[in-house]
Order: sequence, then C-alpha cells, then structure tokens
Amino acid sequence: DAKTTQPTSMDCAEGRAANLPCNHSTISGNEYVYWYRQIHSQGPQYIIHGLKNNETNEMASLIITEDRKSSTLILPHATLRDTAVYYCIVRPRMEYGNKLVFGAGTILRVKS
Amino acid sequence: NAGVTQTPKFQVLKTGQSMTLQCAQDMNHNSMYWYRQDPGMGLRLIYYSASEGTTDKGEVPNGYNVSRLNKREFSLRLESAAPSQTSVYFCASNTGTEAFFGQGTRLTVV
Repeated sequence: DAKTTQPTSMDCAEGRAANLPCNHSTISGNEYVYWYRQIHSQGPQYIIHGLKNNETNEMASLIITEDRKSSTLILPHATLRDTAVYYCIVRPRMEYGNKLVFGAGTILRVKS
Repeated sequence: NAGVTQTPKFQVLKTGQSMTLQCAQDMNHNSMYWYRQDPGMGLRLIYYSASEGTTDKGEVPNGYNVSRLNKREFSLRLESAAPSQTSVYFCASNTGTEAFFGQGTRLTVV
C-alpha cells in the first residue's frame, strides 16, 4: 500500500471549514484514498473514500488532485465534536483479505 | 444491530497470566482485524482474517495468537502477558467499503 504523509496537528475555529491535507505521491492506479477519524478513546470511524473523482457525503468532502498524488478532506462547518485524530489511508478497495494499516494521522483541534 | 462487540471492556492481568479477548460482529463481514493502540500512539495491526478459517500476521504479531472461530467471531489470545502488552485493543470488521470498529478493550498488565 502507498505511504501517506499528513501534518501532525492542525487547529480550526468552530464554524469554519477544516481542510486536512494528505500526500500520497506513490499511489497506484488501483488504490483508493480512505479517511477515518478517531475521537478520543473511541474506535475509529469511517468518513469517506474516493478513487479519482471528488466525493461528498453528509460528513465531509474529499478533493483528490488530478494526478492523485494528494488529497484534502474538508469538514465544511467544524464543530467542537469534530476534534479528533484524522487518518488518511491509501490502499486497494477494501475487499476480501486486504490489510488496513493506519499511520500517525493528523490531530485536529476545533476551538471556540 | 450491535455491530462489533468486544469483551471484556476492561481487564487487569498479572505478568505471565493468559487471557483471550473476544470479538463478534453481526454484519456478515468476511474480514476481521485486531489492533492495539498504546497511549498517545496510532493503531497498529496485530492480526487479520480475510475469511473464516484464515488468519495472517499484521505489523506486531509477536506475543499474540488469534482464532477465527466462525464468520462472526475473531478472538485474540495472550498466552503469557507482559507489561509491554498494556494497551487498548480494538477489533474491526469490514465490508468492501468501510471498516467498523468495536469500542475497545483496555488491558493493563502489572
């Protein structure tokens, strides 16, 4: 699976958009970009994933650059409850038998 | 619909004791995983199971054994617990799209 690079931590004001970057310059053609988050002491929670097109769901938007070497997770109106560690993972579609390995992630602190 | 259920939630062991962490999912998922998370650190994959009857090592398998008892259950065993195994243990299962995690087992080895 391709390696990812994320900033160690970021701050965001409550109500503003939180933009979390992820670099994955060695991504392969069959690898997807997945985002998870982990709120303090809970199990990680799936947020969104994409291959090459931008994606949006009720939680967030995912913007993938045209060359697919980087992506940005956008939380459009961050709240205090969005304070968490955010993990960017690049891997083949989560099918049968594939490992799921987490990196260090980005600590997002949403401040009032 | 319970999702992924882990038992126990908390456990204190003495060095050298053995125990089994239980994990069950009711979502009919093929793949299941065990992770550990040390304080202030990220998740590290211990073992995973692609399907009933198969298991594979992850990043940190030493000191652990696993059993995929059936499609629902995936257990993690510590044969001789060591203080270095003090951690929070998470179990997960996945569809083809996303993984679902249990709430964790907090294990302390003294």
